[in-house]
Amino acid sequence: DTAVSQTPKYLVTQMGNDKSIKCEQNLGHDTMYWYKQDSKKFLKIMFSYNNKELIINETVPNRFSPKSPDKAHLNLHINSLELGDSAVYFCASSQVPAGQAYFGAGTRLSVL
Amino acid sequence: AQKITQTQPGMFVQEKEAVTLDCTYDTSDQSYGLFWYKQPSSGEMIFLIYQGSYDEQNATEGRYSLNFQKARKSANLVISASQLGDSAMYFCAMRPPNFGNEKLTFGTGTRLTIIP
Repeated sequence: DTAVSQTPKYLVTQMGNDKSIKCEQNLGHDTMYWYKQDSKKFLKIMFSYNNKELIINETVPNRFSPKSPDKAHLNLHINSLELGDSAVYFCASSQVPAGQAYFGAGTRLSVL
Repeated sequence: AQKITQTQPGMFVQEKEAVTLDCTYDTSDQSYGLFWYKQPSSGEMIFLIYQGSYDEQNATEGRYSLNFQKARKSANLVISASQLGDSAMYFCAMRPPNFGNEKLTFGTGTRLTIIP
């Protein structure tokens, strides 16, 4: 049973389209995150939610809108996709204030 | 602000040898957490080991150990008896102490290749 699952694994789309990535965790964690990994493998936080409340928004363009319907789910919606949005997006969860973050398998987004 | 530096973009190591991956960090916080993650070519992020800033002992997990030198602000990962399956990207990361700012700051990673 996958701890943090995100779908889809691959997403290929045209510039200007809107797309969503879904994430679910079954670990009972309070905090969920979205990270972006660029083509140079650099990982950077985008958003963090704690109990459905936005905690961190790291100067991400407002074309990116996270939504947390409950503490087990954190979805990412992206409007008007641009070429520079091509990256791998990772969902993660952790139980604060302590431990490690558990990552999903990643979603590779390619914008053509 | 927290910063993680990994100065080795790539390393080649003979199978069965030990390998040390370097990580230095910069923070003004007294309490923080340090992590190492492995990312194989399949892309997932796998947690390896954790060290708290107040932990007196170096963390160990099987073949992984963390050489924590607080005064030097270094948290090197040591892999003993390397195996072909250890070939991957390795990321050092840091977490601040404050509730409400529980993000991980990552280094740029080291690509480790184990040679048979």
